[in-house]
Order: sequence, then structure tokens, then C-alpha cells
Amino acid sequence: GQQLNQSPQSMFIQEGEDVSMNCTSSSIFNTWLWYKQDPGEGPVLLIALYKAGELTSNGRLTAQFGITRKDSFLNISASIPSDVGIYFCAGASGTYKYIFGTGTRLKVLA
Amino acid sequence: GAVVSQHPSWVICKSGTSVKIECRSLDFQATTMFWYRQFPKQSLMLMATSNEGSKATYEQGVEKDKFLINHASLTLSTLTVTSAHPEDSSFYICSARSPATGSKPQHFGDGTRLSIL
Repeated sequence: GQQLNQSPQSMFIQEGEDVSMNCTSSSIFNTWLWYKQDPGEGPVLLIALYKAGELTSNGRLTAQFGITRKDSFLNISASIPSDVGIYFCAGASGTYKYIFGTGTRLKVLA
Repeated sequence: GAVVSQHPSWVICKSGTSVKIECRSLDFQATTMFWYRQFPKQSLMLMATSNEGSKATYEQGVEKDKFLINHASLTLSTLTVTSAHPEDSSFYICSARSPATGSKPQHFGDGTRLSIL
């Protein structure tokens, strides 16, 4: 099935550092979502974006809906150990059938 | 807030048996539910979309006769893996959507880990 490309695939960072990751698609989407998944659990929604150029924050997390509508970005500021997990983007284009990204595995070193 | 519950969370069974997984929306009516499969260290792959009261729509490459989906009520969808084999072992996750959930279009269950021996 179709997947979105996420970058980076994985990253190790020091506690307190900022994190940036992105998601790109060959298709235009009109909704972007960002999820976090802990091992053995289902994804938890972090941020939802509905308009090109939209910038939305949720605590230390900020996500942006790319102007081209083919990409989205997620930033985490001042990372803490509990930020560890896998972050997935998901996009949809007119229906609520979401395509998920390949995931970014984040590890935070205390 | 809205919650989606999956049951069982973990199942181990012998090859050839059928396994049913339930997905329930606990405090909202889910007009649409989605079933995903996730292999280790991989992303979620959509298997099918089920709408209450109508047949499920399967993604390309997903065998509808093997993965039976029933969405008989606005709060329950079931996925039955028929004649399961080791290659069906995976993490199955459902999500549910209701137009009333506003900015959170999909709520995910905690998944069911299926292991076929």
C-alpha cells in the first residue's frame, strides 16, 4: 500500500535538545495528522492540521502544514526522556482514509 | 474524551484457527471504523474501511474472505482472521471516526497482538 516518506528514520538526541522531523508525499493532502506510538500500544493523536500553511502547537510540539500541501513538519522543543517513541505522520485527501508515514523512531538520552 | 477499546489485547492460537478481534467506541457513535495491520518496526497499513450497515471496503491486496469485517452497530466492529497462519501474525489496530469528534477525526484502539503458532 501507499506510504508517506518520513525523515529521519531514527534519531538519538540529548535531553533538552530540539527535534525536527518531516513527512513528504507525492500527492496533495488536505489533512495532516501527527501521532506518537509507544511500544505495544496504539497511536495517540498529537496534532491535526487542516489548512495549507497552518502552524499548530500542542505544548512543546509544533506542526506545520506545508504550503505545497505535499509535506508537513513536526518540531519538539526541549525534549525529555518520555518523548521517546515512534512518531507517525498521516495524510488524507478528501476522505477520512489516512495514509501513514514510515515513522521516525526517537530516542532521548538523559 | 472519546475512547476506542480493542479486545483481546493479545492472542496466541494454533495455525488453522479463526480469531475474532473486537473494536468498540466507548462514548461516541462511530459511523466509520478502520482496520490497520502493523508488522514489527513498520508503519500502519490500512486493511479496510467499514461503514456501519454496509459492506467493508478492502484495500488492494487484502483478501476479504480471509479478513472478515462486520460493523453491525455504531459502536462495534469486528475483524475475523479466518484460518490463520503464521504469516498472519501481526499487530492489528482499529480506529473509529464520528463526525462529531471535531478536530480528532480518528481515535485508535490499543491494538491486538496476534501470534499464530
